[in-house]
Amino acid sequence: DIQMTQSPASLSASVGDRVTITCRASQDITKYLDWYQQKPGKAPNLLIYRASNLQTGVPSRFSGSGSGTDFTFTISSLQPEDIATYYCVQYDNLPPTFGQGTKVQIK
Amino acid sequence: QVQLQESGPGLVKPSETLSLTCTVSGGSMSSSFWSWIRQPAGKGLEWIGRIYTTGNTDYRPSLKSRVFLSVDTSRSQVSLRLTSVTAADTAVYFCARGRHYCSGGDCYSRWFDPWGQGILVTVSS
Repeated sequence: DIQMTQSPASLSASVGDRVTITCRASQDITKYLDWYQQKPGKAPNLLIYRASNLQTGVPSRFSGSGSGTDFTFTISSLQPEDIATYYCVQYDNLPPTFGQGTKVQIK
Repeated sequence: QVQLQESGPGLVKPSETLSLTCTVSGGSMSSSFWSWIRQPAGKGLEWIGRIYTTGNTDYRPSLKSRVFLSVDTSRSQVSLRLTSVTAADTAVYFCARGRHYCSGGDCYSRWFDPWGQGILVTVSS
C-alpha cells in the first residue's frame, strides 16, 4: 500500500491566518490526490480533487498544489467555519489510502 | 443531487456478520462506482472496498477474506457484508460515490463524492 504521511497532526491558528498542510506519498502518485474536510460528527466533504482543482461550491480560500510525492493544501485566510479535520487521499494505486488527518483549531 | 443513506444494525455480536445497506437517491447509479469507508472513533479513514454497477469489485487486501459487496440497481442499493467481526471492526461506516472522468485522453477519478452521513456499528456481546 502507498503510505500517506500528513503533517502536522494538529495546528492552531488565528482567524485570517494562512494555514498550510502537507501530504507526502511513499511513491510517485502523479496528481491522483484529493483533499477532504471533515467536521465533527459529519461525513468528509470533497474540497480539492486531482491535487489542485477546486470542487464546485468550495470557497476560493482553499487551494491545493503539488505532484509526484509532495502535496500542499492551503487555507489562505482561516475562518471560524474552517474548524475541522482535513485529510488527503491518494488513488493512484489500490487501495486508496488516507493521510492521518490534520485537526485545525482556532487560537 | 445524489444523496446516500446508510442503514443497518448498530450493534453486532463478535464473530457474527455485519450487514449494511447504502441507498442512493436523487440520481442514477450508472456511470459510477460505490465505496465503503470506515472510521473508528477518534481515528482516521480506511477504505474497505468498491463495487461497480456491473458487479465488479475491488477490496482492501487486509479485509478481502471477510468482505463482500453487492449491488442492486433496481433498488438503488449497495450492500456490505463483513464476516467474523471483532471489536476492531467497531467504527462509523460510510458509503460514497466515485466517478471516472476522461476528456481528450486525460483521465482521473473522484473517488468519494458525495458521502452518506455514516452509521455507527458497535461490535459487542
